[in-house]
Parts: sequence; structure tokens; C-alpha cells
Amino acid sequence: AQSVTQLGSHVSVSEGALVLLRCNYSSSVPPYLFWYVQYPNQGLQLLLKYTSAATLVKGINGFEAEFKKSETSFHLTKPSAHMSDAAEYFCAVSERGGNKLTFGTGTQLKVEL
Amino acid sequence: GAVVSQHPSRVICKSGTSVKIECRSLDFQATTMFWYRQFPKQSLMLMATSNEGSKATYEQGVEKDKFLINHASLTLSTLTVTSAHPEDSSFYICSAREGSGGRGNEQFFGPGTRLTVL
Repeated sequence: AQSVTQLGSHVSVSEGALVLLRCNYSSSVPPYLFWYVQYPNQGLQLLLKYTSAATLVKGINGFEAEFKKSETSFHLTKPSAHMSDAAEYFCAVSERGGNKLTFGTGTQLKVEL
Repeated sequence: GAVVSQHPSRVICKSGTSVKIECRSLDFQATTMFWYRQFPKQSLMLMATSNEGSKATYEQGVEKDKFLINHASLTLSTLTVTSAHPEDSSFYICSAREGSGGRGNEQFFGPGTRLTVL
């Protein structure tokens, strides 16, 4: 079974600082990997996805993530945090061509002045 | 493109009543729709997967008689919570997938429905 682990349920950064949200996956074969953002009382918005093309994936709002097979990681980064980035972030995994998404437990990002 | 809507956005009902939640893909045909529930400050848990015109596939531990799913068309799926109880209070989120082509592996999420059972 596939799974993802998000280290740190809460991350706090200063505005303008680097954002790093960690995600490690467990899968017997290279999977598809996703990062989603959720604002309060809203659904999920896709930030970016890895589906076996370039290992460095660029997404919306200045976010990017790098697929590292040797580390089974797919950490999300953004060079400079903005107040509007404060939200819940979910890492998710699915089998290649598969239906189901398995979500991590989420990381709440807080951005402080 | 790829917009998914849910209705209602919020619903409050009395214990024992049934509640229907609609999920619509507005600008694409969704061969597969998914229903998730999310408890406060927790992750999304997949409840069931439905393909248009066929019975839904429920995840282990999800009561199919309690959570009735219908996917009668390529743009509409409904989730009915039957005989709702306070423990069914949750945030229900649907997603939809086209099923082929470049976006075939991506799920597009609705804005969610907050169900409160008194």
C-alpha cells in the first residue's frame, strides 16, 4: 500500500523567508506525487504534480518540489513566503495511472510578519 | 477550465434525517468521481469511488447503506447521508476526473460541503 508522511503538522515562517514543507512517500514503484493547498472551509487546489517527467516540478504561486527517488521525498519549497501562503498543505500519492489519491496528514503553514 | 461545484456548501440537519450533497463538473465530463470526508484538522479520507453508470466502490469501513452514492451522468454525482447522526458531522469533499488525455490522472476538487447534524 502506498502512503505519504508529512513531517511537521505546523510550520511557521517569517514573511520573505524560505518555505520548506516535507513529504516522504512509500511505494514499491515510482508513483505520481501531488501537493495541494487548502484554505479554510474550501476544497483543495492543486499546486503541482510529479508524473515522471522532470524531477524538479514548478507549480503555481511560486512553489516547486523536487522528486528524489533515493530519498523517497517530494518536499515543497518556496523561496520567499507571503502572507497569502498561510494555509493547510497536503502531499498526496497515487499509483501511476491509478484512481486513488492517498493524502498525508497535512501541514499547517503560518506566515508571520 | 476544470471546475467542480458542490451544493449545498453548508447544511444543518436534525439527527435521523437524510441529506443529499451534489457534485457537478461544470466544464468537463467526469468519468470518475470521488467522495472524501475530512474531520477537523485532519486529512482527507477517501470514502468511495464512482464511475458513471455503475455502482460505487466503497473503501473499507464505509457503510454503503448509509452513504448512498449515485453517478447518473458524466457531470453529476450525489452523496446521500441517510439517517444522519452527530458523528456524521464532517466536511465532505468531492473530486472529479476526466479519465483520459492529459488531465486524465488529475482530480479536480469541489469546494466542500460542511454537514452539521444536531
